Amino acid sequence: GEDVEQSLFLSVREGDSSVINCTYTDSSSTYLYWYKQEPGAGLQLLTYIFSNMDMKQDQRLTVLLNKKDKHLSLRIADTQTGDSAIYFCASNSGGYQKVTFGTGTKLQVIP
Amino acid sequence: NAGVTQTPKFRVLKTGQSMTLLCAQDMNHEYMYWYRQDPGMGLRLIHYSVGEGTTAKGEVPDGYNVSRLKKQNFLLGLESAAPSQTSVYFCASIQRGSEGYGYTFGSGTRLTVV
Repeated sequence: GEDVEQSLFLSVREGDSSVINCTYTDSSSTYLYWYKQEPGAGLQLLTYIFSNMDMKQDQRLTVLLNKKDKHLSLRIADTQTGDSAIYFCASNSGGYQKVTFGTGTKLQVIP
Repeated sequence: NAGVTQTPKFRVLKTGQSMTLLCAQDMNHEYMYWYRQDPGMGLRLIHYSVGEGTTAKGEVPDGYNVSRLKKQNFLLGLESAAPSQTSVYFCASIQRGSEGYGYTFGSGTRLTVV
């Protein structure tokens, strides 16, 4: 089945850019997602990219997709303390809109 | 407020006890899913349903059963709880054909089996 991998932890200083990376294995994935989870809460969709796109920008967020290498990244510009959370990379695969999630990257923003 | 509601939010079970987790959504979504979240392992799909009266196994179905008797409700049952089922359980739903909107998640049920 699909495998989605990401590093477990990232620490950045407030105001810097954060880049969270992810790799996936299923080349047939049509949607790739970034979800955000704050402590004690469920996951919320942050952004997504369709597989025929290379880049998507949404305010402070930039998603880059390298389909050849099956690599996805999320860049957060001007990172704020409120961005501290766990970020999950995910891809849809296997039909019926099932989504495979990565292990999550915990972003720590240092004031 | 529209969304996905999970009950209970917390529960402690003894080994061998049974319980049912309830997920309710009021968005008329066809597809519903149960995931478990464990440290360092992300979210893993337990079971899912693509419509009322239908269920299917996900990645880690053993020890769990599900039912979807009504479109808005998706129940997850543990017949004989084991310590390995200590986890945070999330329910999610999505409208068929709405991949771009992503899942709507509940706030989770934290289950501890002692």
